[in-house]
Amino acid sequence: DAGVIQSPRHEVTEMGQEVTLRCKPISGHNSLFWYRQTMMRGLELLIYFNNNVPIDDSGMPEDRFSAKMPNASFSTLKIQPSEPRDSAVYFCASNPGGGGNQPQHFGDGTRLSIL
Amino acid sequence: AQSVTQPDIHITVSEGASLELRCNYSYGATPYLFWYVQSPGQGLQLLLKYFSGDTLVQGIKGFEAEFKRSQSSFNLRKPSVHWSDAAEYFCAVGAEGYQKVTFGTGTKLQVIP
Repeated sequence: DAGVIQSPRHEVTEMGQEVTLRCKPISGHNSLFWYRQTMMRGLELLIYFNNNVPIDDSGMPEDRFSAKMPNASFSTLKIQPSEPRDSAVYFCASNPGGGGNQPQHFGDGTRLSIL
Repeated sequence: AQSVTQPDIHITVSEGASLELRCNYSYGATPYLFWYVQSPGQGLQLLLKYFSGDTLVQGIKGFEAEFKRSQSSFNLRKPSVHWSDAAEYFCAVGAEGYQKVTFGTGTKLQVIP
């Protein structure tokens, strides 16, 4: 079975540029989560969606960050303009939804480097 | 709100030795508890989970964990560690009706020959 698919796997760009990270959740999963992982701050939840609707975006660090889920099989996380401190590994995860007892399935992440 | 603490940042064990990784949680009701493993360059993979019932749960790769309500703990164990177990391990806590899961800061496991 296909897992959560993220693209690109690596992204290197200069500060000020727009960055778009993509995620395809597991088919049939109703909830999607975006995380950021850094050495300093560990794993942080940025935003999550339920049935394509953003439920909690309190973890989004600044207005430079935005996330969309136009349909059940696709989500994007956009950073505009990007800054060096945005360098991190960004993970997307999905689960069937329905409650806190559903484990999340993670993609392999996008390693983002902002120069 | 729930919280989780992994007191050990880094642990080194010899191959073949037993392993115990500590996890303490804070939550008023019965929590949902998870252990995940992350290998370098990969996402987190679920090892095991506890919701209710038997407090000793078995997971993949020979791991097990025991829920102890009196100690607010959910420690991960393995009787004999293999070199391939070297990775980072995350404990996580969730709650009924609440989609967000809180992750610990992780414990990096090093396995020496």
